[in-house]
Amino acid sequence: GDSVTQTEGQVALSEEDFLTIHCNYSASGYPALFWYVQYPGEGPQFLFRASRDKEKGSSRGFEATYDKGTTSFHLRKASVQESDSAVYYCALGDQEGGRALIFGTGTTVSVSP
Amino acid sequence: EAGVTQSPRYAVLQEGQAVSFWCDPISGHDTLYWYQQPRDQGPQLLVYFRDEAVIDNSQLPSDRFSAVRPKGTNSTLKIQSAKQGDTATYLCASSSANNQAPLFGEGTRLSVL
Repeated sequence: GDSVTQTEGQVALSEEDFLTIHCNYSASGYPALFWYVQYPGEGPQFLFRASRDKEKGSSRGFEATYDKGTTSFHLRKASVQESDSAVYYCALGDQEGGRALIFGTGTTVSVSP
Repeated sequence: EAGVTQSPRYAVLQEGQAVSFWCDPISGHDTLYWYQQPRDQGPQLLVYFRDEAVIDNSQLPSDRFSAVRPKGTNSTLKIQSAKQGDTATYLCASSSANNQAPLFGEGTRLSVL
C-alpha cells in the first residue's frame, strides 16, 4: 500500500540554522503531498500542500517542492527559531480529496537558543 | 470560524471500562476523520465519514470500537472495553468537499491503566 517515510526521527539545531527534513513517498497513483506541524498537547496543524510535480508549497518560512522523479517532498527552512521546535509530519492523500491522509512517523525538531 | 472541537480533553480508565469521545467538525465540512495517535507516532486512521456514511472503517477494531455520525455533523467514537494498548491520543479532523486539507482538533488523550 501507499506509504510515507521520514528519514530523521529527531533533529537538534541552534537558532538561525538551516533545517531539512527528508520525506519520501511510495504511491500507486499521483498523490497530493502535505506537511503538518504538531506542538505539545495540540492536534496537527496544516502547513501546506502540493499537488503536482515541481509545485512548491510554502508557509511560515517553510517550503517543500514536489519531486515526482525522486518521489520526495523535503521540508526546508532557512533560519529556524526556538518557536519552530515541534513535531513535523509529512502526509499523502489523493488529488480529489477522496480518501484519508496517510502520515509519516514524524520528525521531532528541537531548536536551542 | 470555530475549529474542530473535541471532548473530553483527557480520560483515564481502568481496563475493561467504556469511554466515548465526541467531535464537532468545522461548520460545512462534509468529511470527518478519526485518527489514533500512540505516543511518539504519527496519526493512524481509524475511520472516516462523508456526511453520515462510513467511507472506510477497515482499521477500526470492530470488536471494541464503534463510530457514528448520524446526522452528518457531530460524531462519537466509543471504546466498549478499553485495553492498555488503547492508550493514545484520539484526533478528530474535518475537511470540505472541495479538497481542502483536513483540519484537526486538539485531541482527547486517553490513558488506560
